[in-house]
Amino acid sequence: EAQVTQNPRYLITVTGKKLTVTCSQNMNHEYMSWYRQDPGLGLRQIYYSMNVEVTDKGDVPEGYKVSRKEKRNFPLILESPSPNQTSLYFCASSGDFVEQFFGPGTRLTVL
Amino acid sequence: AQSVTQLGSHVSVSEGALVLLRCNYSSSVPPYLFWYVQYPNQGLQLLLKYTSAATLVKGINGFEAEFKKSETSFHLTKPSAHMSDAAEYFCAVSGGAGNMLTFGGGTRLMVKP
Repeated sequence: EAQVTQNPRYLITVTGKKLTVTCSQNMNHEYMSWYRQDPGLGLRQIYYSMNVEVTDKGDVPEGYKVSRKEKRNFPLILESPSPNQTSLYFCASSGDFVEQFFGPGTRLTVL
Repeated sequence: AQSVTQLGSHVSVSEGALVLLRCNYSSSVPPYLFWYVQYPNQGLQLLLKYTSAATLVKGINGFEAEFKKSETSFHLTKPSAHMSDAAEYFCAVSGGAGNMLTFGGGTRLMVKP
């Protein structure tokens, strides 16, 4: 089944403790992206990647890092999480650079 | 810069009534436009998309949307609401740098029996 997977689905952590949220797609898509969803703000893009080893900032990149060493994986790294990064995170991928397919989401709480 | 405005963060309709969710956008390039639906505790599912072909776009679950360039609108409609349509709906525009999707704030649709 063609899909985007994210792990973990739920995470509670404390301020300053580094964490990684993994994202993987099995559709051989070149484009991958991370969004965060906050009430009333819709989804905002954090980072995107047009291909392996090519990443760039989206609208809200502060406090986040990404890497794209393999085509299928695009992990999101929070090196020193803060409470304002409590949010619902979505990974997405695209094969035609038009339609994006979304993962199931990761709900992160930073205490 | 692109932007999307969804009028009404909450919309309530009776089962069987017309659903109308409003979306207005701004874009400096010819846009691709999307409607996504998010059911509770789930990810986003594509309802329909406009990619410069027909201006009236039909999607899944009986939804459709009409692209009106003169009004910069892409409103979502469904003739008859069903209880299972209760969800949050997001309008989005693509076409900016890096294929970024710019989302509206979302509209939560409630369907009353």
